[in-house]
Amino acid sequence: AQSVAQPEDQVNVAEGNPLTVKCTYSVSGNPYLFWYVQYPNRGLQFLLKYITGDNLVKGSYGFEAEFNKSQTSFHLKKPSALVSDSALYFCAVRDIRVGGSYIPTFGRGTSLIVHP
Amino acid sequence: DTGVSQDPRHKITKRGQNVTFRCDPISEHNRLYWYRQTLGQGPEFLTYFQNEAQLEKSRLLSDRFSAERPKGSFSTLEIQRTEQGDSAMYLCASSLVGINSPLHFGNGTRLTVT
Repeated sequence: AQSVAQPEDQVNVAEGNPLTVKCTYSVSGNPYLFWYVQYPNRGLQFLLKYITGDNLVKGSYGFEAEFNKSQTSFHLKKPSALVSDSALYFCAVRDIRVGGSYIPTFGRGTSLIVHP
Repeated sequence: DTGVSQDPRHKITKRGQNVTFRCDPISEHNRLYWYRQTLGQGPEFLTYFQNEAQLEKSRLLSDRFSAERPKGSFSTLEIQRTEQGDSAMYLCASSLVGINSPLHFGNGTRLTVT
């Protein structure tokens, strides 16, 4: 079975400071990993994905994420946070082994609050 | 690309009533997913379609839930004999077939069962 853990319910950061939102995953095979953002009363919006290749992937709105296979992590990062980045962030995983479920499994989400 | 649209945005119903939600995916997307999201939780998978075929259903999907995607275009999710525990945000998403294709979500239908 595949699963995702987001160990922090909330992350607080001051505007202009770097931010990290943590994600670890568990799959039987190799993972495809995704980050989504959700604003109040809206659906989830795709930010970035890791499929293969470079461990550092870049996405929308200046976000990037680092894939670490040995630590089974895929942390979301941004060098300089904006107040408008305040939202819910979800990590998701797909297990790409043959016979695996290709349905994305989502974490519980992390609320990012950026203070002015 | 007009995005995924869901209707209605909000639905308030009394326990025991039936409700139906509609989802219109992005037109070129073959796959359509239904997820349920409750407060403080991530989206939980309910079911998905590839074209008109329903390929997988979660054990969360009780017999009171049914989903259809006639002609492989829009989809409907019906809940019969609603219970208070059904109160949640119901999210629809669509994607291309490729496993590396991200999901594109609608804004959801918020169901409140009183």
